[in-house]
Amino acid sequence: NAGVTQTPKFQVLKTGQSMTLQCAQDMNHEYMSWYRQDPGMGLRLIHYSVGAGITDQGEVPNGYNVSRSTTEDFPLRLLSAAPSQTSVYFCASSRPGTGDQYFGPGTRLLVL
Amino acid sequence: GNSVTQMEGPVTLSEEAFLTINCTYTATGYPSLFWYVQYPGEGLQLLLKATKADDKGSNKGFEATYRKETTSFHLEKGSVQVSDSAVYFCALSENNDYKLSFGAGTTVTVRA
Repeated sequence: NAGVTQTPKFQVLKTGQSMTLQCAQDMNHEYMSWYRQDPGMGLRLIHYSVGAGITDQGEVPNGYNVSRSTTEDFPLRLLSAAPSQTSVYFCASSRPGTGDQYFGPGTRLLVL
Repeated sequence: GNSVTQMEGPVTLSEEAFLTINCTYTATGYPSLFWYVQYPGEGLQLLLKATKADDKGSNKGFEATYRKETTSFHLEKGSVQVSDSAVYFCALSENNDYKLSFGAGTTVTVRA
């Protein structure tokens, strides 16, 4: 099993550009989440999904969109990048009722 | 709401020293508690967890006990190695929910 995979590993954007961060998991987990990691702030939940076709907002959803058309994939879209979105983004998946989350390796995003 | 407070770092230790990282939490119900570890350049990995009061989680020589009376989940290791150098995150979830609340993280550096 590859576990949770994320692409790209690193991306530089200009303010106002859009892009999609990809996330896929091969563990047949129902739950998937996106977090951002900023220095001194731990990880903060952006959006999450409890199954295909179902998504909801987390703690810091503004400026991001998600969709979940399949169990495996959970892309995160930045609609119009801003310097405040410079961060490291992690995707995670889990099974219901366990609380254990499996994290991808992260995408480091720099917005100029 | 839920929140997690960790001792601030960075923490620098010599090999074979004793490590303690303090973690306290605030929650409305009876959360599950987790320690995640992030090695340099990688995503987070679950280190250990406890799901109810007085439970002790353990893994790789690390231990943490769920103390409801003090709302704490301190991480300890009796003899650290250079390979334990990482960022450690305390986290909680309500009812083994998919939504994790993270502490800010503590950077630990172990010197030979």
